[in-house]
Amino acid sequence: GAVVSQHPSWVICKSGTSVKIECRSLDFQATTMFWYRQFPKQSLMLMATSNEGSKATYEQGVEKDKFLINHASLTLSTLTVTSAHPEDSSFYICSARASGGIYEQYFGPGTRLTVT
Amino acid sequence: GQQLNQSPQSMFIQEGEDVSMNCTSSSIFNTWLWYKQDPGEGPVLLIALYKAGELTSNGRLTAQFGITRKDSFLNISASIPSDVGIYFCAGHSGGGSEKLVFGKGMKLTVNP
Repeated sequence: GAVVSQHPSWVICKSGTSVKIECRSLDFQATTMFWYRQFPKQSLMLMATSNEGSKATYEQGVEKDKFLINHASLTLSTLTVTSAHPEDSSFYICSARASGGIYEQYFGPGTRLTVT
Repeated sequence: GQQLNQSPQSMFIQEGEDVSMNCTSSSIFNTWLWYKQDPGEGPVLLIALYKAGELTSNGRLTAQFGITRKDSFLNISASIPSDVGIYFCAGHSGGGSEKLVFGKGMKLTVNP
């Protein structure tokens, strides 16, 4: 149980284009989903927290107009990187937290974004 | 902001050896989680701890929630090559926030 999928697993796009990454909880309902960015050999950096049906809460320094997050259902959240630039190239990972009082997060397999 | 100090940063061990790693914090946490991340993959939850003093095992893995609620350790016994990866501790402090605080990770290398 507690499986989270991400799509695509990797994507290459040209500078100036937009890319959408999907995160789905496959066997549970996720009231909260999280989006992280990970640089090589570093820990996870939280970008934003999203709750179903409401606006995402972005961490300080994360541009909300550049990283659009939508949490339309209890099993799906999307991250759209708008007008991507090479510095946006990174490993993006989503996680999901089930409803209830526990705080365990279950992570997706990640998406490798390369902007050329 | 809150930070978790995870140590050691890396370990090189022989197959069959035990390994121990820990995380400490300057503030109290209500939940401690241990994750393992393989290259190019997302972290996988290994063990979750919810009570001070709690000792929990998952196969060859054992983790404890420190009595002071400011630390946790993870032990791996009889290591095997597939234990290779990066181990992260994470904590939740409560107070209405859903966010986890992560350690910087411990890179484990197991020599066959």
